[in-house]
Amino acid sequence: QSALTQPVSVSGSPGQSITISCTGTNSDIGSYSLVSWYQQHPGRAPKLVIYEDNKRPSGVSSRFSGSKSGNTASLTISGLQAEDEADYYCCSYAGSSAYWVFGGGTKVTVL
Amino acid sequence: EVQLVESGGGLVKPGGSLRLSCAASGFTFNTYSMTWVRQAPGKGLEWVSSISSGSKNIYYGDSVKGRFTISRDNAKNSLYLQMNSLRAEDTAVYYCARVWSGYHYADYWGQGTLVTVSS
Repeated sequence: QSALTQPVSVSGSPGQSITISCTGTNSDIGSYSLVSWYQQHPGRAPKLVIYEDNKRPSGVSSRFSGSKSGNTASLTISGLQAEDEADYYCCSYAGSSAYWVFGGGTKVTVL
Repeated sequence: EVQLVESGGGLVKPGGSLRLSCAASGFTFNTYSMTWVRQAPGKGLEWVSSISSGSKNIYYGDSVKGRFTISRDNAKNSLYLQMNSLRAEDTAVYYCARVWSGYHYADYWGQGTLVTVSS
């Protein structure tokens, strides 16, 4: 099972909105509404920010939103803040054989 | 407060074995699935293995299938990962994470334990 495809890096200025894409296949993203997104600051454990394509866990800022179209999922961060600078990973359920597959990660830089 | 604390990491020679543990607290452990995810130094996240709440359903990633065994002891609120035939490419921080049963996302993660495979 190949990893999902994410851009290596995305940057934006404070207050701007950025979008991170995550491209999979008909076997994962395209077949299930089970994409999750994780934020990871350096040296820290990942933190769930979006689950089931577009749901936000309690306590996560409303500036984070998720969407999906076909085989591509997206994470949008609006009103970019310095604290949003981190690595972001998408993950999708891929059926009972491959189970979970992660994207390669995207480094978000706040200019 | 949900807590997941991994232990058991360390330096091991290629071909060796190691057993990781994850102690869970702050939630009803036997009602949640659990998963192991690893991260090689400077690299991205890689799903390793998952186990259902009652251990009935177990899944492994292709890179560890046949070498790693996931298990849990609900009486001890603990998750385990037995790693055999270790290779240099298994070097990583190993995280345990909680998964709502029947769902496919990890809502709480431990801080990780580092496994280094080197001669």
